[in-house]
Amino acid sequence: DSGVTQTPKHLITATGQRVTLRCSPRSGDLSVYWYQQSLDQGLQFLIHYYNGEERAKGNILERFSAQQFPDLHSELNLSSLELGDSALYFCASSVGGGTETQYFGPGTRLLVL
Amino acid sequence: AQSVTQPDIHITVSEGASLELRCNYSYGATPYLFWYVQSPGQGLQLLLKYFSGDTLVQGIKGFEAEFKRSQSSFNLRKPSVHWSDAAEYFCAAKDDKIIFGKGTRLHILP
Repeated sequence: DSGVTQTPKHLITATGQRVTLRCSPRSGDLSVYWYQQSLDQGLQFLIHYYNGEERAKGNILERFSAQQFPDLHSELNLSSLELGDSALYFCASSVGGGTETQYFGPGTRLLVL
Repeated sequence: AQSVTQPDIHITVSEGASLELRCNYSYGATPYLFWYVQSPGQGLQLLLKYFSGDTLVQGIKGFEAEFKRSQSSFNLRKPSVHWSDAAEYFCAAKDDKIIFGKGTRLHILP
């Protein structure tokens, strides 16, 4: 158990819908990272927040957005969902915002029908 | 463009045999390098990382990796695998953001 929690574990929704994925980092960690893992694209970095502020963006679509709240939990919002958004979404947390070890949550499996 | 390549999609070894998983990176300067393991239905766990210094890095679970600048490689090794090592292994590199390889799935024969 990494100490990072993600909810929900599974999510099934329809095209065009919007969903919110939630991540609670390990106690004391200020950074939250979001990743998408799919069969065709592999594991891709989406976005990084540090202490409430966006630090880096990766291959995140404009339909996706994220935020980190004052209590340091983070939410990833996915809107206008398409079939290709079906994937496993991981969050990870670390103490700082540099090269510290990232601890991964168990992921949220999203299926868009 | 920056990239991380894991040439082997699947590798099968017998329990007790040695293991080497290959990873090559393409970056302008040496990035930070990582190996992660993902067991079925689990998130990723960091095995080891290289930033600088000694090119042979020791990690958890008996794994080690060797950084070779001349070959732009960071191969993962284990002298004797256990059935519990069956998983998917990801090499990753980071400068401003992290890039993962496509992964190598390790199968262990009893």
